[in-house]
Amino acid sequence: DVKVTQSSRYLVKRTGEKVFLECVQDMDHENMFWYRQDPGLGLRLIYFSYDVKMKEKGDIPEGYSVSREKKERFSLILESASTNQTSMYLCASSFPSRREKLFFGSGTQLSVL
Amino acid sequence: KNEVEQSPQNLTAQEGEFITINCSYSVGISALHWLQQHPGGGIVSLFMLSSGKKKHGRLIATINIQEKHSSLHITASHPRDSAVYICAVKRYTDKLIFGTGTRLQVFP
Repeated sequence: DVKVTQSSRYLVKRTGEKVFLECVQDMDHENMFWYRQDPGLGLRLIYFSYDVKMKEKGDIPEGYSVSREKKERFSLILESASTNQTSMYLCASSFPSRREKLFFGSGTQLSVL
Repeated sequence: KNEVEQSPQNLTAQEGEFITINCSYSVGISALHWLQQHPGGGIVSLFMLSSGKKKHGRLIATINIQEKHSSLHITASHPRDSAVYICAVKRYTDKLIFGTGTRLQVFP
């Protein structure tokens, strides 16, 4: 069974902390994505990676960075967490084709106090 | 105006009812996805379609490319169908544009 695993289901951090959200997929997918989901706004793309060490900014990259050193792992980094980054974070992966489904992780609910 | 609009935003139904969720989009697309999100967060892909109709069990998805519209139908609805249903369109890259979702509650 295909799997996208996010390291934490719930996370509570303090303002100013550096936060790492990890995502691992076991499907050998080239594409990996980080989204955040907020009530009334739907999913918004933060960053996208289409290969190892390759990344592309999404719609809301400010305050975030990413790392993809290995194909299976895509990390989202909040350099200095702020309260407006409190959100549900979802990782997804897919093969690079118009006809390929997207597979999601179960999400990380991050609260920044 | 959002590029992907879903209606209704919220929907309640009695078990056994036929349900329709609508999705309209304003951009050219290569494919449209219907996704399901249960309480707790995880999202599952239900359908990906670029033309016509697809069926899986009690779920049917249709798309009309000329009218830029898709519908998701649930026949003989059941309380376990309660979830948020999300429409997302894929343009001519690998990125998706998401609707804000339709929250469905099915009561016994």
